Amino acid sequence: AQSVSQHNHHVILSEAASLELGCNYSYGGTVNLFWYVQYPGQHLQLLLKYFSGDPLVKGIKGFEAEFIKSKFSFNLRKPSVQWSDTAEYFCAVTPYSSASKIIFGSGTRLSIRP
Amino acid sequence: NAGVTQTPKFQVLKTGQSMTLQCAQDMNHNSMYWYRQDPGMGLRLIYYSASEGTTDKGEVPNGYNVSRLNKREFSLRLESAAPSQTSVYFCASMLSEGSQEQYFGPGTRLTVL
Repeated sequence: AQSVSQHNHHVILSEAASLELGCNYSYGGTVNLFWYVQYPGQHLQLLLKYFSGDPLVKGIKGFEAEFIKSKFSFNLRKPSVQWSDTAEYFCAVTPYSSASKIIFGSGTRLSIRP
Repeated sequence: NAGVTQTPKFQVLKTGQSMTLQCAQDMNHNSMYWYRQDPGMGLRLIYYSASEGTTDKGEVPNGYNVSRLNKREFSLRLESAAPSQTSVYFCASMLSEGSQEQYFGPGTRLTVL
């Protein structure tokens, strides 16, 4: 069965620290990959997405993610976090052929100490 | 554009009561979705509607029904609420399955006592 794993459930960092959140998926075919962010009290928003091409994708607010096909991974990174990055981050995967089968990871809660 | 709107924002039900969660989008999107979000489990798809007039089950459909009233509106009904349905419910829409980017509503926090 298809699944998405986010191994870090809660990450606590100080401002200006570097961030990397892990995401691994299990699916044998071509996939599209997403990171969504949910700020406290708000709805999910798309942070970035990968469909094809350059495996290093850049999103909003200085975030980027790298697709490594051989490792089935799509890790999210940011060189220097800010207090305003405090949020929950969700990795999601869909088979290339069908968006209705979007699978979300369980989420990583990121807390930034000012 | 309001995007995706959901009503109500909060609801408390007693076991066995019924209710309908409403969702509307003004982006002329074809596909609409209902998810539930539970701590440590991410979002799980309940039902979706790929286009007006069609609905399909997602990962966790038991205890729910849906209606795609028209292109704009997609409602979720709990016929006989159970405590296990306590959750935050999100509606989402997408232009079409090919576009693959979903837009989410603000959510409905439901508590079943």
